[in-house]
Formats: sequence, C-alpha cells, structure tokens
Amino acid sequence: QVQLVESGGGVVQPGRSLRLSCAASGFTFSNYGMHWVRQAPGKGLEWVAVISYDGSNKYYADSVKGRFTISRDNSKNTLYLQMNTLRAADTAVYFCAKGNVITGPPMAEYFQHWGQGTLVTVSS
Amino acid sequence: EIVLTQSPATLSLSPGERATLSCRASQSVSNYLAWYQQKPGQAPRLLIYDASNRATGIPARFSGSGSGTDFTLTISSLEPEDFAVYYCQQRSNWFTFGPGTKVDIK
Repeated sequence: QVQLVESGGGVVQPGRSLRLSCAASGFTFSNYGMHWVRQAPGKGLEWVAVISYDGSNKYYADSVKGRFTISRDNSKNTLYLQMNTLRAADTAVYFCAKGNVITGPPMAEYFQHWGQGTLVTVSS
Repeated sequence: EIVLTQSPATLSLSPGERATLSCRASQSVSNYLAWYQQKPGQAPRLLIYDASNRATGIPARFSGSGSGTDFTLTISSLEPEDFAVYYCQQRSNWFTFGPGTKVDIK
C-alpha cells in the first residue's frame, strides 16, 4: 500500500534553514507529481509546492516563493523541501502528498495520499 | 486567488442523521473540486474528486454534487467514525482549500 513518511522537522530559529524529506513506497514514485501541504497549529490546510513526476516542473505558493525549493530523487523514491529564511508564520505540520494522475500535469491533480506530517516550529 | 467559503463552520448532528456541507467558490472552478476528511492528529483523506467522484475505498454514504461556484458534500447517514473536519479544495487555478466544516456529535 502507499506509504509516505516525512522527516526533518524540528525547532529552528527565524532566518535559519531546514530540509524536509518524504520517503515514498508502495507505488511507482517516478510516475506521480508530489506536493507539500502545510497546516499551522489549529488552522486549515495551505498548499505549499508541487513538483512534476519527472522533476521538470515546479510551482510554489506566493507565501514561500523564493525561500523554499522542492526537489525529488526518483532513484531514492524521496521528495524534499528545502526551506530557507524561515519565519514564525512558517510554523506548521508539513505533509507530503501524492498526486492522483499518472504522469499528469502537476497543477491538474488532487492529493490522493498523504503522509502523517512533520512539525516545523520557527521560534527564537 | 480563488477563495473557498464553507458553511456551516460547525454542524452538530447525531449518528444516523444526514449531513449536508456546503462549499462556495469566489469564481467558477468548473467541477475541479475535491473534499477531504481530517480527524484530530491525522492526515487528511481524499473523499471526493472532480465534484462528484468517490475516491477509492470511500463508502457510498459519501456523495458530492455541484459545479461552477456551489458544491455540496452529503453524508447520507452519519457513522461514529464520520465525526471530523471536512475541507473542500479547488484545482482550477492553483490550489486552495476552504476553512473547513467541523461535524461533531450532538
């Protein structure tokens, strides 16, 4: 069955960096677009970024553009999120999510499977 | 940005009752709308996509309808495990989520 396991969260000071990872199994990772979605404590869901199945296309929410970078290593079945210049407003649980369309356009899909999330806390 | 509004914010019902949740978009999203269920401490789960298609493994008591700007998620008869928060999400223009509707036990 599909399994997505995030790691790399923790407490970090404002202005510092953090890299999240998402290990995927149970499906052909290289066939699907992958997303990061976050949820601030007690709040709703916010889409963060998407990368196409082959890594050729990447899109970001305005709130993280220029600070966050999404990437993937299809040989390792792993998704990444490099987060730089972190702010208090970036405090959230970060979920990785698998798209629902095989080799489809990354902006034309839904979030079919989700990991359990990793908590990032930005605080001095 | 397309803004999604959900109503009501909270729906208090008893097991066995019918739940009707609403999602309204600030502009047409065609049928590019999904519904997710989230329980405390868990990840969201995809229930409905393209407004009316049930995702794999989702019970038939969940149904979705609507197009354009007005959408509805209906749970025909609430089971104990259905008490949760429900989010709508559009993919017509980037990705945005509604603020959620909490379905709690009356």
